[in-house]
Amino acid sequence: EAQVTQNPRYLITVTGKKLTVTCSQNMNHEYMSWYRQDPGLGLRQIYYSMNVEVTDKGDVPEGYKVSRKEKRNFPLILESPSPNQTSLYFCASSYLQDQETQYFGPGTRLLVL
Amino acid sequence: DAKTTQPTSMDCAEGRAANLPCNHSTISGNEYVYWYRQIHSQGPQYIIHGLKNNETNEMASLIITEDRKSSTLILPHATLRDTAVYYCIGSGNTPLVFGKGTRLSVIA
Repeated sequence: EAQVTQNPRYLITVTGKKLTVTCSQNMNHEYMSWYRQDPGLGLRQIYYSMNVEVTDKGDVPEGYKVSRKEKRNFPLILESPSPNQTSLYFCASSYLQDQETQYFGPGTRLLVL
Repeated sequence: DAKTTQPTSMDCAEGRAANLPCNHSTISGNEYVYWYRQIHSQGPQYIIHGLKNNETNEMASLIITEDRKSSTLILPHATLRDTAVYYCIGSGNTPLVFGKGTRLSVIA
């Protein structure tokens, strides 16, 4: 089954404790992206990647890192999480030539205390 | 990028057709209209897209007016599982700009 998976689905952590949210897709998509969703602010892009070893900042990249060492994986790294990073996070992927047709993961709900 | 406007909310009786409108008067000639939906706290789900011809797939139909200033997403036989927020997005929006969408409530 074609899908985007994220782990963990739920995470409670404390300020400053590094964490990684994994994202993996099995559709051989070149384009991958991370969004965060907050009440009243909608979905905002954090980082995106157009292919292996190619990443770029989205609208709200501060406090986040990403890497794209393999085509299928695009982990989101919070080196020193803060409470304002409490949010619902979505990973998405698509073919490079059809970036508007994105497939989203199930989401990761993060609480930073 | 084309801006879109949608009603904030709509109700639909279960089993009836749900018709969700979208205005996109600033859309240019080569910009597609995309529809997504998001069931509560799940990842957004792509539904359908079109340029100027009407489109249909297993999920929905998309009717685009001849002047391309508006479109309607049609769910032919709405079920309770179709309760979600529906987003109309103009192409050229990468990253996707979801806006506030229309909250569709399907009522038994």
